Amino acid sequence: AQSVTQPDIHITVSEGASLELRCNYSYGATPYLFWYVQSPGQGLQLLLKHFSGDTLVQGIKGFEAEFKRSQSSFNLRKPSVHWSDAAEYFCAVGVDTGRRALTFGSGTRLQVQP
Amino acid sequence: DSGVTQTPKHLITATGQRVTLRCSPRSGDLSVYWYQQSLDQGLQFLIQYYNGEERAKGNILERFSAQQFPDLHSELNLSSLELGDSALYFCASSVALASGNTIYFGEGSWLTVV
Repeated sequence: AQSVTQPDIHITVSEGASLELRCNYSYGATPYLFWYVQSPGQGLQLLLKHFSGDTLVQGIKGFEAEFKRSQSSFNLRKPSVHWSDAAEYFCAVGVDTGRRALTFGSGTRLQVQP
Repeated sequence: DSGVTQTPKHLITATGQRVTLRCSPRSGDLSVYWYQQSLDQGLQFLIQYYNGEERAKGNILERFSAQQFPDLHSELNLSSLELGDSALYFCASSVALASGNTIYFGEGSWLTVV
């Protein structure tokens, strides 16, 4: 079965600084990969997704993610963080065999310092 | 706004009681998912329906049940409630079954069991 690991529970960055959130997955093949963001009291909003092809995926709100097959990673990046980016970020994987619902990581809470 | 509507947004009930959470998927989406988000368990997949039929089960307790109706809305029934059932319950929907389809989440139903 597929699994997702987000090794960082909590990250604090200064406003304007760059950001990288880590995500590692475990699956026998290349899964579908997603990043979602959850603001306090809100639902999950899709930031970006990777299905196949390009290793660098562009998303909304200035986010991008890089897929590295050799490292089974799908790290989320943003060049310059804004205070409004403070939220919880979830990496998720989906597969086309067996149970097809998304499997989520445990999330990384991002705090932005002024 | 994801287009997925969940009601009620907040619910407080006593142990031993039964509640029903309702979900209207995005227009045109045939697949509905239910997830539970709690502090200790993170985001857990409960169950998936596709066009009225149950298609996948995750970590759903026997006290919980769900169904998807002909008009594609779905209900999650939680019975014999325990304090540990307090959580945020998400409904999500997608066009089809394949994991490559984007899953859109509602804003969730906050359940507090006292």
